Amino acid sequence: EVQLVETGGGLVQPGKSLKLTCATSGFTFSNAWMHWVRQSPEKQLEWVAQIKAKSNNYATYYAESVKGRFTISRDDSKSSVYLQMNSLKEEDTAIYYCTKHPGFDYWGQGVMVTVSS
Amino acid sequence: DVVMTQTPVSLPVSLGGQASISCRSSQSLVHSNGNTYLHWYLQKPGQSPQLLIYRVSNRFSGVPDRFSGSGSGTDFTLKISRVEPEDLGDYYCLQSTHFPPTFGGGTKLELK
Repeated sequence: EVQLVETGGGLVQPGKSLKLTCATSGFTFSNAWMHWVRQSPEKQLEWVAQIKAKSNNYATYYAESVKGRFTISRDDSKSSVYLQMNSLKEEDTAIYYCTKHPGFDYWGQGVMVTVSS
Repeated sequence: DVVMTQTPVSLPVSLGGQASISCRSSQSLVHSNGNTYLHWYLQKPGQSPQLLIYRVSNRFSGVPDRFSGSGSGTDFTLKISRVEPEDLGDYYCLQSTHFPPTFGGGTKLELK
């Protein structure tokens, strides 16, 4: 059974940092391309970042809204993907989901990130 | 970015009835490899999105045949026949043909 479990969310002040973790099981993680997607309080879904597999040199891609502030990474030995979020803004407030390629076929339960002073 | 426009925003239905949701893209979703990467998701209250239909018309594992997807180019439709209580929630389309992937604004399927 495919499982994705996100952790690391919480309340943080603007300008601060937070790191999310997505632990996975039930599929061959090392071959998988992984994504982070977020859902705003208005329920709009927005793709955030993608990381490809080792065979693709772990290539990474970002939404313009987070480029330069967020970093996606992975640890194949732990079947986990991470999202390091720096210089957080109030508009980054959302539920963050990890999901796998292709087709965004499986999603975690999500983790809430609230950016507020 | 490709803009995905979903209609209607809200769709009241009766149990046992039929529902149809439209998703239109601002440019063709046909990839250079000939595939069309348009997918449909259902988000039930308090849950994460779940994949229903991938690449326009393919039902994901375990999805009942009451759900069907169709369309081509820029115009796509999700149909739900014989609506059941567990079908209620928010439906989203997603295109992943073009970078970055973009979602529709959602359609809330609710009881009439």
